[in-house]
Amino acid sequence: AQSVAQPEDQVNVAEGNPLTVKCTYSVSGNPYLFWYVQYPNRGLQFLLKYITGDNLVKGSYGFEAEFNKSQTSFHLKKPSALVSDSALYFCAVSYLQGGANNLFFGTGTRLTVIP
Amino acid sequence: DAGVIQSPRHEVTEMGQEVTLRCKPISGHNSLFWYRQTMMRGLELLIYFNNNVPIDDSGMPEDRFSAKMPNASFSTLKIQPSEPRDSAVYFCASTWGGKGYEQYFGPGTRLTVT
Repeated sequence: AQSVAQPEDQVNVAEGNPLTVKCTYSVSGNPYLFWYVQYPNRGLQFLLKYITGDNLVKGSYGFEAEFNKSQTSFHLKKPSALVSDSALYFCAVSYLQGGANNLFFGTGTRLTVIP
Repeated sequence: DAGVIQSPRHEVTEMGQEVTLRCKPISGHNSLFWYRQTMMRGLELLIYFNNNVPIDDSGMPEDRFSAKMPNASFSTLKIQPSEPRDSAVYFCASTWGGKGYEQYFGPGTRLTVT
């Protein structure tokens, strides 16, 4: 079973509009959840993480994400999209299983912000 | 502080040749990861070191791939012999404390095997 899913390969949004990039997970126990961004010809760059505590997590570049345990989701959001936000976004989940720490990345969502 | 350093940035080689990719993690980090990224398969974790010891190599595709970490500041990923299907971007990432922490990625090595 897939541990983390990004249901949308592509998201298009107009500049200035709010954006949402979706992520759902399916793990037992308490997951650690991450968002990364990848710009063209670059490595992944950490945006934010949820470990415990407040369900709303704020990160770099005005991004935030909300941990929803009942819906097993960790959607990435930003109130007002910028053209420079256009990139590939990855959700990742880390969790303990059988004493070992597992880590899985989603397949990525390409965000395009249209001027 | 410099980020994760990878070399070379680009490598073009012929099928059957040995390829060695290099990584210098961020100073003070004790966990190192090698990933492979392709359009078809996305981002794959190949191997994970903690304190220079390989902890999880279940993602290494086959025996042609090997990785070492002789000390805390250097790691290599070797492919011998290389095949066209190995063409991909290979990333190295480091962090402190293992898989439960945010990782810092290098710029990647784009490998083309002809």
